[in-house]
Amino acid sequence: AQSVTQPDIHITVSEGASLELRCNYSYGATPYLFWYVQSPGQGLQLLLKYFSGDTLVQGIKGFEAEFKRSQSSFNLRKPSVHWSDAAEYFCAVATDSWGKFQFGAGTQVVVTP
Amino acid sequence: EPEVTQTPSHQVTQMGQEVILRCVPISNHLYFYWYRQILGQKVEFLVSFYNNEISEKSEIFDDQFSVERPDGSNFTLKIRSTKLEDSAMYFCASSNNSPLHFGNGTRLTVT
Repeated sequence: AQSVTQPDIHITVSEGASLELRCNYSYGATPYLFWYVQSPGQGLQLLLKYFSGDTLVQGIKGFEAEFKRSQSSFNLRKPSVHWSDAAEYFCAVATDSWGKFQFGAGTQVVVTP
Repeated sequence: EPEVTQTPSHQVTQMGQEVILRCVPISNHLYFYWYRQILGQKVEFLVSFYNNEISEKSEIFDDQFSVERPDGSNFTLKIRSTKLEDSAMYFCASSNNSPLHFGNGTRLTVT
């Protein structure tokens, strides 16, 4: 069965420091991979996606993610976080259709001054 | 940028009552979805809808749930007789063979 794992439930990072959020998936074929962000009281906003091609993808708000097939990972990174990056981040995998996403449990990011 | 809009933002209902959650997808999108997120749990797929019919549904989407696109713009989720465990954030999403665009959600509280 397909699964998406975000090992870190909660991460605290200082403003200006780098951030890396981990995502591992279990899926038989090459999946479609996504990162979404959810700010308090808001919906899910797409940060970036990977379908094929270059394994390093750039997204909005200065985020990037790297697909590593050998590690079944799609980790999200940002070189220097801003206080506005405090939110919950979800990794998602599209399985057998565009819309049936499987989400990870999410990682809550707290940014300290 | 076009948005998916959901109303209401918060709905409180008594157990056993019917609720209808409303969504206006992005106007040129053809695929519509409902997801839900129980507090502290993962976002879960409920149902997808295309060409005026359900294309896929999860085991959560039992006979108490139904979806409808009553006109050219709205997409609704009806829960016929709510249970306490239906309390969750419900997200509508739409796409046009592209990543999903989500609304801000409706928080449903069943008392």
